[in-house]
Amino acid sequence: GAGVSQSPSNKVTEKGKDVELRCDPISGHTALYWYRQSLGQGLEFLIYFQGNSAPDKSGLPSDRFSAERTGGSVSTLTIQRTQQEDSAVYLCASSLGTGELFFGEGSRLTVL
Amino acid sequence: DAKTTQPNSMESNEEEPVHLPCNHSTISGTDYIHWYRQLPSQGPEYVIHGLTSNVNNRMASLAIAEDRKSSTLILHRATLRDAAVYYCILNTGTASKLTFGTGTRLQVTL
Repeated sequence: GAGVSQSPSNKVTEKGKDVELRCDPISGHTALYWYRQSLGQGLEFLIYFQGNSAPDKSGLPSDRFSAERTGGSVSTLTIQRTQQEDSAVYLCASSLGTGELFFGEGSRLTVL
Repeated sequence: DAKTTQPNSMESNEEEPVHLPCNHSTISGTDYIHWYRQLPSQGPEYVIHGLTSNVNNRMASLAIAEDRKSSTLILHRATLRDAAVYYCILNTGTASKLTFGTGTRLQVTL
């Protein structure tokens, strides 16, 4: 596609449920990033994939969060046993590796 | 990660130039200076980046101090559509995580 595509754009779930957020990066981009942004706050780094290297998971806030990137393309961010503090916009970005990131529109997660 | 410091907010009148400052006194020799902006309800978008020399593109100009410890993003004629949060970020130039601070919220008024 022309840009980074994220789905769903909005997700409302109940506390304790698991959620999956999907990111489809720009074709050919080797790097993929996940960030989250709580209401009125800055961007918080979660995880970064670069080619076949081991991902940088240093930003994942707890073991309830995980992400995978299959075939070097699509990525899925999974949050298990969601909590209300997980409510945020989850942003995905991809890059050719030159440092310029292209962001998607984000997935807004609301945990009731 | 080397840290950047930006004012929390700035205001500008429409069609006037805007100078957004950024301090990065601990910058290393391999760090590029990147600027992104985030319009309301959107993901961030790339604006410009540079290493040592000043840079110009269709969106903005980047002026980098000779000692590289500070830089300024210049919007030559602000419009209402430029109202956004502007982030100054240091990056080594290869794909690695970008650490976003709180940025500068720019308000543009008529």
